[in-house]
Amino acid sequence: EAQVTQNPRYLITVTGKKLTVTCSQNMNHEYMSWYRQDPGLGLRQIYYSMNVEVTDKGDVPEGYKVSRKEKRNFPLILESPSPNQTSLYFCASRGFPGQTNEKLFFGSGTQLSVL
Amino acid sequence: AQKITQTQPGMFVQEKEAVTLDCTYDTSDPSYGLFWYKQPSSGEMIFLIYQGSYDQQNATEGRYSLNFQKARKSANLVISASQLGDSAMYFCAMREGGSARQLTFGSGTQLTVLP
Repeated sequence: EAQVTQNPRYLITVTGKKLTVTCSQNMNHEYMSWYRQDPGLGLRQIYYSMNVEVTDKGDVPEGYKVSRKEKRNFPLILESPSPNQTSLYFCASRGFPGQTNEKLFFGSGTQLSVL
Repeated sequence: AQKITQTQPGMFVQEKEAVTLDCTYDTSDPSYGLFWYKQPSSGEMIFLIYQGSYDQQNATEGRYSLNFQKARKSANLVISASQLGDSAMYFCAMREGGSARQLTFGSGTQLTVLP
C-alpha cells in the first residue's frame, strides 16, 4: 500500500530537549516536505527536499532541521524545542511535476506539545 | 500578500443540499495547479480534487466539482448532496509552476453538515 509513515503520532516534551520526528515513504517519490498546521493559519511549509542531499527552507524554517540521506526518509529535527513549536506536523511527498500523480501524499500527522 | 484566500472560516449546510466553499488565489505564473483537501476530525489530510491551469474543463470527482474561473482567480469547491460525513475542515492549496516548494495552503473552512 502506498503510504507516508510518520512517527510518533503524539509527542509531549519539555523545552530544550532535542527530538526527531521520522517520516518514510514507499512510493519512490523525489519530493518530500514538512508542514506545520496551526489554527487559523492553515498548513505552512517548514522545509522541503527535491532529492537525496537536496533540501531547502520553506516559509517557517526557524528552529527546525532536516536531512535527506536516503530517498525514502526525511526526518524533522528540533534541536531545542520551544513552546511556540507546539503544533500539528505533517510530512508529505509526491513525484516529479508533470506526472499524473500531482497530489501530495500526507502522513497521518504528529501532534507535538512542548511544555 | 496571501497566495490562497479562504474567506469562510465556518459554513453550515443542511444534509442533502449542495454547498460551495470559496477559494481565491494569487499568482503570476501561467502554469499552476489547484487542490482541495479534506481534514476530518481524525486529522488526516484527504485529497479531493485537482485542477490544472491549462485544463479546459472544470474538474469533477464524484460529488465534488471545482468551479474554476481563471479570470477571477477563483477555484471554488462544490459539494453536491451533502452528507453528515462531509463535516470537516477543507483546505484549498496551490502549486505554482514546477515549484519544488510543493503546496501553499489557505487557512481552511470548517464545514458542518446538519441533519
